[in-house]
Amino acid sequence: GESVGLHLPTLSVQEGDNSIINCAYSNSASDYFIWYKQESGKGPQFIIDIRSNMDKRQGQRVTVLLNKTVKHLSLQIAATQPGDSAVYFCAENGESGYSTLTFGKGTMLLVSP
Amino acid sequence: DAGVTQSPTHLIKTRGQQVTLRCSPISGHKSVSWYQQVLGQGPQFIFQYYEKEERGRGNFPDRFSARQFPNYSSELNVNALLLGDSALYLCASSLTKGGNTEAFFGQGTRLTVV
Repeated sequence: GESVGLHLPTLSVQEGDNSIINCAYSNSASDYFIWYKQESGKGPQFIIDIRSNMDKRQGQRVTVLLNKTVKHLSLQIAATQPGDSAVYFCAENGESGYSTLTFGKGTMLLVSP
Repeated sequence: DAGVTQSPTHLIKTRGQQVTLRCSPISGHKSVSWYQQVLGQGPQFIFQYYEKEERGRGNFPDRFSARQFPNYSSELNVNALLLGDSALYLCASSLTKGGNTEAFFGQGTRLTVV
């Protein structure tokens, strides 16, 4: 996994803009990926998931793209709202086949009204 | 429906003490995992339990232990606390043991070691 410092990468957008948050994962054998949103003082909240047999999945206002060739995930949030402000993490499942998630670097999303 | 519940929400302990954290999974979920989240970082996997058996262990010392009860609730124990154990401890539950199922997190227990 990647080491993470105290200063998270930050993405600042205006309300109504589209946001794109990127994530590089480490294990080419991972076959399941999840995006989580974490607000201050709270646990991670499930946003959307994708399996490795897909390269795109859409939810409500969110889209996840998976590029297995370069081990890259992205989360697109349409019409970003102030309530979307949070830290976003991507996570990949471990090799064991059990539900052990490896989290990537978080990205802080700041949405200005 | 109740989500994943953890107790206590906050805890202050002194170095060298022992602590027990508790987690109740979502009803029907048989898998419970524990994660440690240090400030400014993503959660780090500690343990997974499924059907009362340990199914996975992360890179944590033997001071960390856990167990799962017949009702699928779980406890995480940490002995001989160090200042570096200060973190948010998260519990996640999932329906099955598989790696391709959603994991839902509780609000966490904020542990401060002084």
